[in-house]
Amino acid sequence: EAGVTQFPSHSVIEKGQTVTLRCDPISGHDNLYWYRRVMGKEIKFLLHFVKESKQDESGMPNNRFLAERTGGTYSTLKVQPAELEDSGVYFCASSQGPGGTQYFGPGTRLTVL
Amino acid sequence: EDQVTQSPEALRLQEGESSSLNCSYTVSGLRGLFWYRQDPGKGPEFLFTLYSAGEEKEKERLKATLTKKESFLHITAPKPEDSATYLCAALPSGGSYIPTFGRGTSLIVHP
Repeated sequence: EAGVTQFPSHSVIEKGQTVTLRCDPISGHDNLYWYRRVMGKEIKFLLHFVKESKQDESGMPNNRFLAERTGGTYSTLKVQPAELEDSGVYFCASSQGPGGTQYFGPGTRLTVL
Repeated sequence: EDQVTQSPEALRLQEGESSSLNCSYTVSGLRGLFWYRQDPGKGPEFLFTLYSAGEEKEKERLKATLTKKESFLHITAPKPEDSATYLCAALPSGGSYIPTFGRGTSLIVHP
Protein backbone atom coordinates (compact mmCIF):
# COMPACT_ATOMS: atom_id res chain seq x y z
CA GLU A 1 0.00 0.00 0.00
CA ALA A 2 1.35 3.40 -0.98
CA GLY A 3 2.17 5.77 1.84
CA VAL A 4 1.64 9.50 2.06
CA THR A 5 3.35 11.30 -0.79
CA GLN A 6 4.29 14.95 -1.10
CA PHE A 7 5.41 17.10 -3.98
CA PRO A 8 7.80 18.77 -4.51
CA SER A 9 10.49 17.46 -2.20
CA HIS A 10 12.29 20.79 -2.29
CA SER A 11 11.32 24.30 -3.33
CA VAL A 12 13.45 27.41 -3.39
CA ILE A 13 11.64 30.66 -4.09
CA GLU A 14 12.18 34.34 -3.58
CA LYS A 15 10.31 36.47 -1.11
CA GLY A 16 7.01 37.59 -2.56
CA GLN A 17 6.58 34.61 -4.87
CA THR A 18 3.89 31.96 -4.62
CA VAL A 19 4.41 28.28 -3.91
CA THR A 20 1.95 25.41 -3.88
CA LEU A 21 2.66 22.20 -2.02
CA ARG A 22 0.76 19.01 -2.69
CA CYS A 23 -0.05 16.04 -0.48
CA ASP A 24 -1.60 12.70 -1.44
CA PRO A 25 -2.78 10.82 1.65
CA ILE A 26 -3.01 7.08 2.11
CA SER A 27 -6.00 5.80 0.17
CA GLY A 28 -9.10 5.64 2.34
CA HIS A 29 -7.81 8.05 4.98
CA ASP A 30 -10.41 10.74 5.52
CA ASN A 31 -8.23 12.74 7.89
CA LEU A 32 -5.39 14.84 6.50
CA TYR A 33 -3.09 17.12 8.46
CA TRP A 34 -0.51 19.72 7.57
CA TYR A 35 2.44 20.47 9.84
CA ARG A 36 5.54 22.63 9.65
CA ARG A 37 8.93 22.26 11.27
CA VAL A 38 11.35 25.15 11.34
CA MET A 39 14.98 24.47 12.15
CA GLY A 40 15.63 23.70 15.79
CA LYS A 41 11.98 23.63 16.75
CA GLU A 42 9.32 21.00 17.15
CA ILE A 43 6.80 19.97 14.51
CA LYS A 44 3.88 22.39 14.68
CA PHE A 45 0.31 21.78 13.58
CA LEU A 46 -1.15 23.90 10.79
CA LEU A 47 -4.55 22.41 9.96
CA HIS A 48 -6.72 19.32 9.84
CA PHE A 49 -9.13 18.20 7.11
CA VAL A 50 -11.87 15.64 7.48
CA LYS A 51 -12.63 14.69 3.92
CA GLU A 52 -12.95 18.02 2.11
CA SER A 53 -13.88 20.06 5.19
CA LYS A 54 -11.51 22.02 7.40
CA GLN A 55 -11.94 20.57 10.89
CA ASP A 56 -9.35 22.73 12.61
CA GLU A 57 -7.22 25.48 11.09
CA SER A 58 -6.09 27.05 14.33
CA GLY A 59 -2.42 26.54 13.48
CA MET A 60 -2.42 28.49 10.22
CA PRO A 61 -0.07 31.42 10.83
CA ASN A 62 -1.87 34.03 8.72
CA ASN A 63 -4.00 34.57 5.64
CA ARG A 64 -1.04 34.13 3.30
CA PHE A 65 -1.57 30.39 3.75
CA LEU A 66 -4.45 28.70 1.92
CA ALA A 67 -5.18 25.00 2.13
CA GLU A 68 -7.66 23.07 0.04
CA ARG A 69 -8.71 19.48 -0.28
CA THR A 70 -10.82 19.08 -3.38
CA GLY A 71 -13.08 16.05 -3.39
CA GLY A 72 -11.60 14.80 -0.14
CA THR A 73 -8.58 13.29 -1.84
CA TYR A 74 -5.31 15.16 -2.29
CA SER A 75 -4.63 18.47 -0.61
CA THR A 76 -2.71 21.59 -1.58
CA LEU A 77 -1.14 24.22 0.62
CA LYS A 78 -0.48 27.55 -1.07
CA VAL A 79 1.71 30.27 0.36
CA GLN A 80 1.13 33.66 -1.28
CA PRO A 81 3.15 35.83 -1.01
CA ALA A 82 5.95 33.92 0.65
CA GLU A 83 8.01 35.55 3.39
CA LEU A 84 11.42 34.61 4.77
CA GLU A 85 9.93 33.19 7.96
CA ASP A 86 7.90 30.68 5.94
CA SER A 87 11.03 28.63 5.34
CA GLY A 88 10.95 25.17 6.88
CA VAL A 89 9.87 21.63 6.20
CA TYR A 90 6.17 21.12 5.57
CA PHE A 91 4.84 17.70 6.46
CA CYS A 92 1.55 16.15 5.56
CA ALA A 93 0.06 13.25 7.51
CA SER A 94 -3.09 11.18 7.22
CA SER A 95 -5.11 8.92 9.48
CA GLN A 96 -8.21 6.78 9.20
CA GLY A 97 -9.98 8.15 12.24
CA PRO A 98 -9.57 11.65 13.72
CA GLY A 99 -7.69 10.40 16.79
CA GLY A 100 -5.91 7.60 15.05
CA THR A 101 -2.27 7.06 14.28
CA GLN A 102 -1.01 9.62 11.82
CA TYR A 103 1.26 8.48 9.01
CA PHE A 104 3.60 11.11 7.64
CA GLY A 105 4.85 11.96 4.19
CA PRO A 106 8.49 12.72 3.42
CA GLY A 107 7.97 16.47 3.65
CA THR A 108 8.61 19.44 1.38
CA ARG A 109 11.60 21.58 2.27
CA LEU A 110 10.71 25.18 1.48
CA THR A 111 13.41 27.83 1.32
CA VAL A 112 12.41 31.45 0.87
CA LEU A 113 15.28 33.75 -0.13
CA GLU B 1 -1.01 24.70 27.47
CA ASP B 2 -0.07 21.22 26.26
CA GLN B 3 3.65 20.54 26.41
CA VAL B 4 5.98 17.68 25.50
CA THR B 5 9.64 17.64 26.55
CA GLN B 6 12.13 15.06 25.34
CA SER B 7 15.47 14.29 26.91
CA PRO B 8 18.27 14.08 26.25
CA GLU B 9 18.46 16.25 23.14
CA ALA B 10 21.27 14.10 21.81
CA LEU B 11 22.65 10.73 22.79
CA ARG B 12 25.73 8.88 21.60
CA LEU B 13 25.98 5.16 22.29
CA GLN B 14 28.38 2.42 21.44
CA GLU B 15 26.91 -0.53 19.59
CA GLY B 16 25.39 -2.86 22.16
CA GLU B 17 25.14 -0.19 24.88
CA SER B 18 21.51 -0.10 26.02
CA SER B 19 19.83 3.15 27.08
CA SER B 20 16.50 4.95 27.42
CA LEU B 21 14.98 8.08 25.94
CA ASN B 22 12.51 10.13 27.95
CA CYS B 23 9.33 11.92 26.90
CA SER B 24 7.58 13.99 29.58
CA TYR B 25 4.15 15.30 28.72
CA THR B 26 1.62 17.73 30.13
CA VAL B 27 -1.70 17.54 28.32
CA SER B 28 -5.31 17.92 29.31
CA GLY B 29 -6.07 14.21 29.48
CA LEU B 30 -4.21 11.76 27.26
CA ARG B 31 -5.87 10.06 24.34
CA GLY B 32 -2.64 8.54 23.06
CA LEU B 33 1.15 8.84 23.10
CA PHE B 34 2.98 8.29 19.83
CA TRP B 35 6.60 7.47 19.10
CA TYR B 36 8.13 8.11 15.70
CA ARG B 37 11.54 7.59 14.18
CA GLN B 38 12.86 10.19 11.73
CA ASP B 39 15.85 9.73 9.45
CA PRO B 40 17.59 12.76 7.89
CA GLY B 41 15.63 14.17 4.98
CA LYS B 42 12.64 11.91 5.58
CA GLY B 43 9.30 12.16 7.29
CA PRO B 44 8.55 10.70 10.73
CA GLU B 45 8.02 6.93 10.60
CA PHE B 46 5.46 5.55 13.03
CA LEU B 47 6.74 3.19 15.73
CA PHE B 48 4.22 2.85 18.59
CA THR B 49 1.00 4.16 20.08
CA LEU B 50 0.43 3.86 23.84
CA TYR B 51 -2.96 4.59 25.35
CA SER B 52 -2.86 3.99 29.10
CA ALA B 53 -0.40 4.01 31.99
CA GLY B 54 1.33 0.70 32.40
CA GLU B 55 1.09 -0.19 28.75
CA GLU B 56 4.21 -1.48 26.97
CA LYS B 57 4.92 -2.20 23.32
CA GLU B 58 7.95 -3.78 21.68
CA LYS B 59 9.44 -3.88 18.23
CA GLU B 60 12.80 -5.51 17.65
CA ARG B 61 15.29 -3.70 19.92
CA LEU B 62 12.80 -0.99 20.96
CA LYS B 63 10.36 -1.04 23.85
CA ALA B 64 8.05 1.84 24.72
CA THR B 65 6.46 2.27 28.14
CA LEU B 66 3.97 4.78 29.52
CA THR B 67 3.23 6.28 32.92
CA LYS B 68 0.82 9.06 33.84
CA LYS B 69 3.48 11.72 33.29
CA GLU B 70 6.05 10.31 30.92
CA SER B 71 6.98 7.70 28.37
CA PHE B 72 10.27 5.92 27.86
CA LEU B 73 11.73 4.42 24.73
CA HIS B 74 14.17 1.72 25.77
CA ILE B 75 16.76 0.65 23.23
CA THR B 76 18.38 -2.71 23.94
CA ALA B 77 21.75 -3.57 22.38
CA PRO B 78 21.45 -0.87 19.70
CA LYS B 79 23.01 -1.16 16.28
CA PRO B 80 24.32 1.64 14.03
CA GLU B 81 21.15 1.39 11.94
CA ASP B 82 19.16 2.54 14.97
CA SER B 83 20.76 5.98 14.57
CA ALA B 84 17.96 8.49 13.95
CA THR B 85 15.94 11.18 15.67
CA TYR B 86 13.18 9.79 17.86
CA LEU B 87 10.08 11.92 18.30
CA CYS B 88 7.23 11.58 20.71
CA ALA B 89 3.84 13.25 20.47
CA ALA B 90 0.96 13.45 22.96
CA LEU B 91 -2.64 13.53 21.77
CA PRO B 92 -5.00 15.16 24.28
CA SER B 93 -8.46 13.87 25.05
CA GLY B 94 -11.47 16.03 24.36
CA GLY B 95 -12.42 17.66 21.12
CA SER B 96 -8.93 18.30 19.75
CA TYR B 97 -7.34 15.68 17.53
CA ILE B 98 -4.06 17.51 17.28
CA PRO B 99 -0.94 16.01 18.88
CA THR B 100 1.76 18.10 20.53
CA PHE B 101 5.25 17.07 19.49
CA GLY B 102 8.51 17.15 21.36
CA ARG B 103 11.70 18.34 19.72
CA GLY B 104 13.12 14.85 19.56
CA THR B 105 16.21 12.99 20.71
CA SER B 106 18.99 12.59 18.18
CA LEU B 107 20.55 9.15 18.66
CA ILE B 108 23.89 8.13 17.20
CA VAL B 109 25.09 4.57 17.64
CA HIS B 110 28.77 4.03 16.93
CA PRO B 111 30.01 0.66 15.65
